[in-house]
Amino acid sequence: DTGVSQNPRHKITKRGQNVTFRCDPISEHNRLYWYRQTLGQGPEFLTYFQNEAQLEKSRLLSDRFSAERPKGSFSTLEIQRTEQGDSAMYLCASSLDSGVVFFGPGTRLTVL
Amino acid sequence: GDSVTQMEGPVTLSEEAFLTINCTYTATGYPSLFWYVQYPGEGLQLLLKATKADDKGSNKGFEATYRKETTSFHLEKGSVQVSDSAVYFCALILNSGNTPLVFGKGTRLSVIA
Repeated sequence: DTGVSQNPRHKITKRGQNVTFRCDPISEHNRLYWYRQTLGQGPEFLTYFQNEAQLEKSRLLSDRFSAERPKGSFSTLEIQRTEQGDSAMYLCASSLDSGVVFFGPGTRLTVL
Repeated sequence: GDSVTQMEGPVTLSEEAFLTINCTYTATGYPSLFWYVQYPGEGLQLLLKATKADDKGSNKGFEATYRKETTSFHLEKGSVQVSDSAVYFCALILNSGNTPLVFGKGTRLSVIA
């Protein structure tokens, strides 16, 4: 399977803990996106990378959130000091330049 | 800013009924338009797209026409099946290429036999 992959698929954590998610994009794709989706809502943009450069960050991305794409391939999204409001599905997606965007299956985060 | 507005669901139809899901957009530039679908327990999948005015995107019996004059991209299917039950998202991206996809809130479709 050469689609976008995300790990873990599910994460349950206690409030105040740090969590890190990984995304592996489609191999030739230079753009990588992170979105967040809550129940009954459409995906909300968080941030995106072109190669290793982080080009845009949403106002939704508080200081507790950080994303990296160190070698322009896989990416990590870290949430520090998690809060119950962080519970959501975190979606990763990739594209070749401004072409079609392909999504991964998501990581479901539950903060207790 | 750029935004997408979809008709609120849920939409419940009988098998073989005609489907329309309305989508309108506001864009600061010239967008490409998309419909994505999310089947139960699965990730978002691209259903169809249109990149310029009057283009018609189509796939799996679904169609949508890019109407610049009404800033709309309504999704239609002539005869729905139970397997079409899913959440449908309208989305746009500016053709300038340096902005991310912007999604509507989604419309849940349930098709009953």
